Amino acid sequence: DAGITQSPRHKVTETGTPVTLRCHQTENHRYMYWYRQDPGHGLRLIHYSYGVKDTDKGEVSDGYSVSRSKTEDFLLTLESATSSQTSVYFCAIRIRTGADGYGYTFGSGTRLTVV
Amino acid sequence: QQQVKQSPQSLIVQKGGISIINCAYENTAFDYFPWYQQFPGKGPALLIAIRPDVSEKKEGRFTISFNKSAKQFSLHIMDSQPGDSATYFCAAIGIVGTASKLTFGTGTRLQVTL
Repeated sequence: DAGITQSPRHKVTETGTPVTLRCHQTENHRYMYWYRQDPGHGLRLIHYSYGVKDTDKGEVSDGYSVSRSKTEDFLLTLESATSSQTSVYFCAIRIRTGADGYGYTFGSGTRLTVV
Repeated sequence: QQQVKQSPQSLIVQKGGISIINCAYENTAFDYFPWYQQFPGKGPALLIAIRPDVSEKKEGRFTISFNKSAKQFSLHIMDSQPGDSATYFCAAIGIVGTASKLTFGTGTRLQVTL
């Protein structure tokens, strides 16, 4: 999907362990985002990046950290996984959609289960 | 605090009927309003989008109606088909803090029956 790859696609991990999810893009886009999707909540922004080493918090950032050491990779780390972080995680990039404006393209998601 | 409110949560429409999903927003800094369609196991995909200076935008069977004064917008799916069965999210984009952000509604699960 538009040059975005998320890995892993599925992961089961134990409570208290650190977990890192990876988002890789091939199109040199400046803005990258991490969302989580939960029933009844839609997609909520965790963290975002507006350039290499430039990141900021979203609305549900507690318990998560991110890093972006190069344009193509945006990593999301759960420092000590909890059951409340069981979710589907989506990475997105912002792209131009012609003269009308811009849109966001999403990866296929990572389903994370914390047991 | 839900900045983009979406209704209904679920919707069942007969084939050939009109599906209508409504959204309302709070933040006047939003300046672009996309709709996303999501199938099970996939990421959301951009369906159609509108700027607030336009009252209506149509692409095929999909139409967005926008009411800036009421801060409301809606998606109409004409001649709904079983292949339209998916979850639909309204969203709003605007500069919040340091960067452009995309804020989603809570989603509407649409089922189109034969």
